[in-house]
Amino acid sequence: DMQMTQSPSSLSASVGDRVTITCRASQSIGTSLNWYQQKPGKAPTVLIYAASSLQSGVPSRFSGSGSGTDFTLTISNLQPEDFATYYCQQTYSTLLFTFGPGTKVDIK
Amino acid sequence: EVQLVESGGGLVKPGGSLRLSCAASGFTLSNYDMNWVRQAPGKGLEWVSSISTTSYYKFYADSVRGRFTISRDNTKKSLYLEMNSLRPDDTAVYYCTRLRGCSSSPCYDEYWGQGTLVTVSS
Repeated sequence: DMQMTQSPSSLSASVGDRVTITCRASQSIGTSLNWYQQKPGKAPTVLIYAASSLQSGVPSRFSGSGSGTDFTLTISNLQPEDFATYYCQQTYSTLLFTFGPGTKVDIK
Repeated sequence: EVQLVESGGGLVKPGGSLRLSCAASGFTLSNYDMNWVRQAPGKGLEWVSSISTTSYYKFYADSVRGRFTISRDNTKKSLYLEMNSLRPDDTAVYYCTRLRGCSSSPCYDEYWGQGTLVTVSS
């Protein structure tokens, strides 16, 4: 079974910081990797799809990179509205999905 | 405007059954693969089940296979999740999502409903 890990599980950062979150797949998934943001009490929203494509309407301070098994979500110039939990998701096998455990970003 | 509205959640005893519905509007349901994703209280996201446009393909997470059944009625613009033999660890908010791509392009959960809470407790 495909397993996804994320690091760190949580981090504290300040407005204006550059934040990097890592996601690792247990086997190669090409670029079939998405990133979601979730705020408390709300449904998740997609930020990045296919490892590095920015979803329409998402600020350009969000970026994604990686392929194979190792992926990164970077938030440059962290804004107050970016404090949330971030999840990676693999979609390598058609209609079979796995989410990472999540990374909570809170205010330092 | 794309809208997904889940319903059918509630309190059910262990071993019981529940049927969730998701009403889709603002798009042609028959053109899209669909997902159910759940989130236990204070926990992360867990993919539950997916269904292709014509219902030909149906997939389930190991944790629900044999107990849950996904279905859809494109004419009624609705997605369903029949849940049987419910256990306390099925307690979660259940989200209906519309997938983008999956057959020929990058696949991701593009739109999400607001979720419906299922509580399994005696």
